[in-house]
Amino acid sequence: GQSLEQPSEVTAVEGAIVQINCTYQTSGFYGLSWYQQHDGGAPTFLSYNALDGLEETGRFSSFLSRSDSYGYLLLQELQMKDSASYFCAVISGGYNKLIFGAGTRLAVHP
Amino acid sequence: DGGITQSPKYLFRKEGQNVTLSCEQNLNHDAMYWYRQDPGQGLRLIYYSQIVNDFQKGDIAEGYSVSREKKESFPLTVTSAQKNPTAFYLCASSLGQDNQPQHFGDGTRLSIL
Repeated sequence: GQSLEQPSEVTAVEGAIVQINCTYQTSGFYGLSWYQQHDGGAPTFLSYNALDGLEETGRFSSFLSRSDSYGYLLLQELQMKDSASYFCAVISGGYNKLIFGAGTRLAVHP
Repeated sequence: DGGITQSPKYLFRKEGQNVTLSCEQNLNHDAMYWYRQDPGQGLRLIYYSQIVNDFQKGDIAEGYSVSREKKESFPLTVTSAQKNPTAFYLCASSLGQDNQPQHFGDGTRLSIL
């Protein structure tokens, strides 16, 4: 089967750094994406990793290790507006088809 | 502004009734997707389409049907064969290549009367 594992909940305080891990087991692998979704809203794209290493976009960074089938999303200088669910998603079969994890709910407190 | 429009925002279905969810995009994207999201869970792929007049089943296609007669439009019909249709339905589009992000609409929340 195909599966992605990520923690269900993470809690942090404003200004802190938080890392959300994702491990995957899929029949094929083209890349790992991260999406953010606020309650009741649409998912929005954050980052994409096809090769090993770190991709940085402002306060958010994403890392991939293909040999370990593992990636993470790093959020720095946390703000209250970062409270949302974060989903990792694998492109496993081409055609840009995504397989999503169950999501990590991040709560940022003052 | 370019984007994806889903309608209606809320929809109620009676037992034995088919309902159709609309999805329109003006991003000139070739690929379009339909996902279902249940509370506290990730998105699951229902159908996807890479080009006009062609579409493929996703992981949970049973009880659903789609059409792709125009590049801009990808409507989803939830048929009476779908026994548990209550969910949040999300439509997305992308340029189709593997490294391109998917852009999502605001979703339709379907409930059973």
